[in-house]
Amino acid sequence: DADVTQTPRNRITKTGKRIMLECSQTKGHDRMYWYRQDPGLGLRLIYYSFDVKDINKGEISDGYSVSRQAQAKFSLSLESAIPNQTALYFCATSEKGDYGYTFGSGTRLTVV
Amino acid sequence: GENVEQHPSTLSVQEGDSAVIKCTYSDSASNYFPWYKQELGKRPQLIIDIRSNVGEKKDQRIAVTLNKTAKHFSLHITETQPEDSAVYFCAAFSGSARQLTFGSGTQLTVLP
Repeated sequence: DADVTQTPRNRITKTGKRIMLECSQTKGHDRMYWYRQDPGLGLRLIYYSFDVKDINKGEISDGYSVSRQAQAKFSLSLESAIPNQTALYFCATSEKGDYGYTFGSGTRLTVV
Repeated sequence: GENVEQHPSTLSVQEGDSAVIKCTYSDSASNYFPWYKQELGKRPQLIIDIRSNVGEKKDQRIAVTLNKTAKHFSLHITETQPEDSAVYFCAAFSGSARQLTFGSGTQLTVLP
């Protein structure tokens, strides 16, 4: 589903480096989310944004920051990457209200 | 906030048998309950959802039931096929949190 695009798809980076994961969407949704997925731990919410000026921390925001550059773009940054941030990262979007999410294809990040 | 518990964490069934995955939620005001399927290496995708004014919904071999009084909902897959093998996530939309809360996932394996 090209409606929600994440870049890069895969990334290997070194400990201490700053890295940005990008998400863009063409669905016209106001709400965007960043999740992290680790084996056996399901989907954990890092940050979410209900519009450009409304950004909120999720359950595991430490070590991460976000930027909502426009309605269609939501970026996740790791200021100083560490190995336990190695995971699969998903961006998701939704309409306002009680609706399901559309997920991007994911970014597999490895911190060495 | 909302808390969603999902059971079992792993489930193996023989091809052709039925599979049932159960979830409970804590916020009685939650009103929307989607289910996602995540195949290996892919994004979670919405497969079926139900709203609180409905007790059951079917779509071919999959069905979801909701018991608002007991605050639990279940996914039923009949006549399972190998391509049903995946991780399944339940979720609940809490109006107070204005977002979905996900269960921890169930790894379903359909044995040929």
